[in-house]
Amino acid sequence: SQTIHQWPATLVQPVGSPLSLECTVEGTSNPNLYWYRQAAGRGLQLLFYSVGIGQISSEVPQNLSASRPQDRQFILSSKKLLLSDSGFYLCAWSVDPTGANYGYTFGSGTRLTVV
Amino acid sequence: DQQVKQNSPSLSVQEGRISILNCDYTNSMFDYFLWYKKYPAEGPTFLISISSIKDKNEDGRFTVFLNKSAKHLSLHIVPSQPGDSAVYFCAAIPPSNTGNQFYFGTGTSLTVIP
Repeated sequence: SQTIHQWPATLVQPVGSPLSLECTVEGTSNPNLYWYRQAAGRGLQLLFYSVGIGQISSEVPQNLSASRPQDRQFILSSKKLLLSDSGFYLCAWSVDPTGANYGYTFGSGTRLTVV
Repeated sequence: DQQVKQNSPSLSVQEGRISILNCDYTNSMFDYFLWYKKYPAEGPTFLISISSIKDKNEDGRFTVFLNKSAKHLSLHIVPSQPGDSAVYFCAAIPPSNTGNQFYFGTGTSLTVIP
């Protein structure tokens, strides 16, 4: 069966510090991978998606970046965190390319607080 | 620009009664809609979906209704149970989607009172 792991679960970081959130998927190959953010009082915002190793697309301008060094590994990074980066970050993958049949499967999320 | 809107941030319902969560969208080209359920500190989980060629899809206690002319969909939970207390997100998929974009609403927090 397919599973998705995301860590850490919670993180408190000072402004200006770097960030690295990791997501791995098991039980499937060549998944579409996504990073979403849920900020307080807002919906889920797509940050990055990847259809393959080394292929990253960004949906919104920000000081975050993403990388996909392996087929089932997706990393969200920042060189210098801002206060506005605080939020709940979710990694997800889709079973089928369009996501229409089963939608996304989300990880358990990372609560990031920038202080 | 929010293309999918959930205008009720919260909803409280008595156990056993019906919960109705609403969602409006602006793009008439959206052709697939999904509902997700999210507990605190967890990722959203897929609940139910509906294609734009249908106006109703039912799965147990959960039914989603789609009114294309009004660009409106709703999720009905009958009967509501305390375990249904969570945040519910609706999402829309544009046509010819390659999996790179779902449009999510802002969520409605449902509280089912025992």
